[in-house]
Amino acid sequence: QQQVKQSPQSLIVQKGGISIINCAYENTAFDYFPWYQQFPGKGPALLIAIRPDVSEKKEGRFTISFNKSAKQFSLHIMDSQPGDSATYFCAARGFSGGYNKLIFGAGTRLAVHP
Amino acid sequence: GAGVSQSPSNKVTEKGKDVELRCDPISGHTALYWYRQSLGQGLEFLIYFQGNSAPDKSGLPSDRFSAERTGGSVSTLTIQRTQQEDSAVYLCASSSRLENSPLHFGNGTRLTVT
Repeated sequence: QQQVKQSPQSLIVQKGGISIINCAYENTAFDYFPWYQQFPGKGPALLIAIRPDVSEKKEGRFTISFNKSAKQFSLHIMDSQPGDSATYFCAARGFSGGYNKLIFGAGTRLAVHP
Repeated sequence: GAGVSQSPSNKVTEKGKDVELRCDPISGHTALYWYRQSLGQGLEFLIYFQGNSAPDKSGLPSDRFSAERTGGSVSTLTIQRTQQEDSAVYLCASSSRLENSPLHFGNGTRLTVT
């Protein structure tokens, strides 16, 4: 079953705090795990991504932690800012037929309060 | 350069009518995807086109949904005999052939079936 479970559904964080969003997957054939950020009225945009051969990837204030044995990965946003308020989607790629078919989680609506 | 363009941005239609949604991908991108985003839901995969290969239609929810891609560029998603449950934001994305190439999303078409 190709499925990605994401939690929490919504998250409120104070400015300067750490935002943590978690995802779990079932299919061990998934080989690429991106996070997308979506602002209201816009399409999602790639934020950061990780391959399963590394346990952590950091880009600025955004970090992905990956636990292959538990089939879980998470997004950490350090020093959260009001401008980070958006919906975040985790995804996993099922490399079926040689293409980037992404299976998305249900999304997390993040609100960062000043 | 221009991003992925979708039209119309909003569409209100009566139950039972047919609708056509258009997607102009980024020039040179060989892969084109359609996703559906319902209120509070994640991104549901609908269909995928890659070059001249047969499309992956595995996500189309019923035979009322169809899509075509002419000349390897513009794509049209058609919903026949629309139902209220078809109300959602329909997102189009394109990507290059490169492995791990990100999906570039348009801003979507918000479809409301009354």
